[in-house]
Amino acid sequence: KQEVTQIPAALSVPEGENLVLNCSFTDSAIYNLQWFRQDPGKGLTSLLLIQSSQREQTSGRLNASLDKSSGRSTLYIAASQPGDSATYLCAVGFSGSARQLTFGSGTQLTVLP
Amino acid sequence: SAVISQKPSRDICQRGTSLTIQCQVDSQVTMMFWYRQQPGQSLTLIATANQGSEATYESGFVIDKFPISRPNLTFSTLTVSNMSPEDSSIYLCSVIGRQAKNIQYFGAGTRLSVL
Repeated sequence: KQEVTQIPAALSVPEGENLVLNCSFTDSAIYNLQWFRQDPGKGLTSLLLIQSSQREQTSGRLNASLDKSSGRSTLYIAASQPGDSATYLCAVGFSGSARQLTFGSGTQLTVLP
Repeated sequence: SAVISQKPSRDICQRGTSLTIQCQVDSQVTMMFWYRQQPGQSLTLIATANQGSEATYESGFVIDKFPISRPNLTFSTLTVSNMSPEDSSIYLCSVIGRQAKNIQYFGAGTRLSVL
């Protein structure tokens, strides 16, 4: 069974700190991996997408890495701000699954001012 | 990116009734999906909406309970039939656009409460 796991489930950090969110998946045969942000009561906002042929993607203060061989991805957030507080979801597109996504359970991030 | 409009944004329904959720995209898309997010949990795929044919359902979801239509490349509906309190969830529509990269975009979701 293809599964996606995110650790930790919740994280609280002081403003300005750099942090890393972790995502692991059970099957290395993937075609892409996408990180999303979800604010309370809202839909999902796409942050970064990494194709299976790539090792990392960057957007502003965010950097996502992908290591297929170990089944891991990380989302690095630099100089965190209170506005970064949200739930961060990792979603994997496994090969042969018609481009649907399998989601992790998310990491709830709180950045304290 | 694709702009997705989902209606209604929220509803409170009585047990035994049905609710139809609409998903409208501002451009033609290749694929449309429907997900469910139960309280405190992550997203689970319900089905892939196929244009002009029956949707493809995931294990645990059936057409009689969640009928889906997709009459064209920009519009889809999901009906939650014969609702029970266990159906209380957020239902989200997502799409993959025709541009490259396979980025999946999500609507704001429909928050459903069943009494």
